Amino acid sequence: EVQLVQSGAEVKKAGESLKISCKGSAYSFSNYWIAWVRQMPGKGLQWMGIIYPGDSNPRYSPSFQGQVTISADTSINTAYLQWSSLKASDTAMYYCARRPGDYSNWFDSWGQGTLVTVSS
Amino acid sequence: QSVLTQPPSVSGAPGQRVTISCTGSSSNFGANYDVHWYQRLPGTAPKLLIYSNNNRPSGVPDRFSGSKSGTSASLAITGLQAEDEADYYCQSYDTSLSAWVFGGGTKVTVL
Repeated sequence: EVQLVQSGAEVKKAGESLKISCKGSAYSFSNYWIAWVRQMPGKGLQWMGIIYPGDSNPRYSPSFQGQVTISADTSINTAYLQWSSLKASDTAMYYCARRPGDYSNWFDSWGQGTLVTVSS
Repeated sequence: QSVLTQPPSVSGAPGQRVTISCTGSSSNFGANYDVHWYQRLPGTAPKLLIYSNNNRPSGVPDRFSGSKSGTSASLAITGLQAEDEADYYCQSYDTSLSAWVFGGGTKVTVL
């Protein structure tokens, strides 16, 4: 069974850096895109960006370009989402999700989510 | 404001049929991009419910069905059950934004 397992909840202060992870298993990690999706408290889902681990070439939503960095390490089947300087407005649940194919514009498996809380 | 527009909430009694609309535009649905639907039960991650307009992944009950026409789409739940109480999101790809886009979500309440 395809699984995406995310790192645990984080509590940070504004201005700190953070890197959260998403580990894939039971499939060929390098060959499937991994997306990151934000859900702010009481709000809907927002697509942040996506990476193809096989070439580590990320694409970003215009809303998140320059605000976060998406990367992947195929040697350990793990994708990452990182911030260099957190803001209180980054407080949210973050999900990783797998895109099942180059011509499939949906997400078939999701991580359990990582709650990030940033205090000012 | 979300690129795809959904009603904030719908409700129905057990056994009833409810529908959730999702309105897009010429740069997503109108550009021939499909609609996909996700169910997010309280406290859990989103789960793929319908892909490519009207296809159910293995394990999704046939009470759930989807459709798309022009720049609009909808999700129907027939024989509503208490366990269907959740948030539902539509999703597509937008060619003018070059981005995957979601609706704002619809909360389904079982009365």
